[in-house]
Amino acid sequence: GAGVSQTPSNKVTEKGKYVELRCDPISGHTALYWYRQSLGQGPEFLIYFQGTGAADDSGLPNDRFFAVRPEGSVSTLKIQRTERGDSAVYLCASSLSGAGTGVSGANVLTFGAGSRLTVL
Amino acid sequence: AQKITQTQPGMFVQEKEAVTLDCTYDTSDQSYGLFWYKQPSSGEMIFLIYQGSYDEQNATEGRYSLNFQKARKSANLVISASQLGDSAMYFCAMREGGSGGYQKVTFGIGTKLQVIP
Repeated sequence: GAGVSQTPSNKVTEKGKYVELRCDPISGHTALYWYRQSLGQGPEFLIYFQGTGAADDSGLPNDRFFAVRPEGSVSTLKIQRTERGDSAVYLCASSLSGAGTGVSGANVLTFGAGSRLTVL
Repeated sequence: AQKITQTQPGMFVQEKEAVTLDCTYDTSDQSYGLFWYKQPSSGEMIFLIYQGSYDEQNATEGRYSLNFQKARKSANLVISASQLGDSAMYFCAMREGGSGGYQKVTFGIGTKLQVIP
């Protein structure tokens, strides 16, 4: 697609439920990032994929959070036993490559519109 | 220690004036990159400008320029001729890590810019 697509745009769930958030990156982008943004804060890194593998999942807050990217394209962020503190906007970004410090556009992260999660 | 520090929670600027948004960073890597993103109230993250650590010239993109002072580890964003549409949150971010491999991108907490007519 032309941009990074995230679904759903809004999700309201009850405490304890399971949720899945989907990210469809720009076609051909090998690097995919998940961030969480709470109100008034900057994006907080969660996990990074290079291709199908999670290269860095150090930002996942606990084992209730899990993400997959089985075919190296679409990624799903999964949250089990949701808590009220999980309420935030979950942002997905992709880039052509996750490596290098060149000035080319290959290193720029393109973000989706985000999925707003509200846990009641 | 914070990787990215943005010390100005909010800034005001008169329309058509220039404004500087501060950003300092902390890394021990020699190879890294610095970004600025804009986030309007709509929530989308818009890429503005990028500076690589080895770039000798300060990056410029239209009305945006990045004042890169490597020794001070600062990467301030300068917006010239401010417009009402510039009112938004601005985030500084850094990509660091080994060359040729994965590089993590970390964001600051942002600065809210309001342009006054």
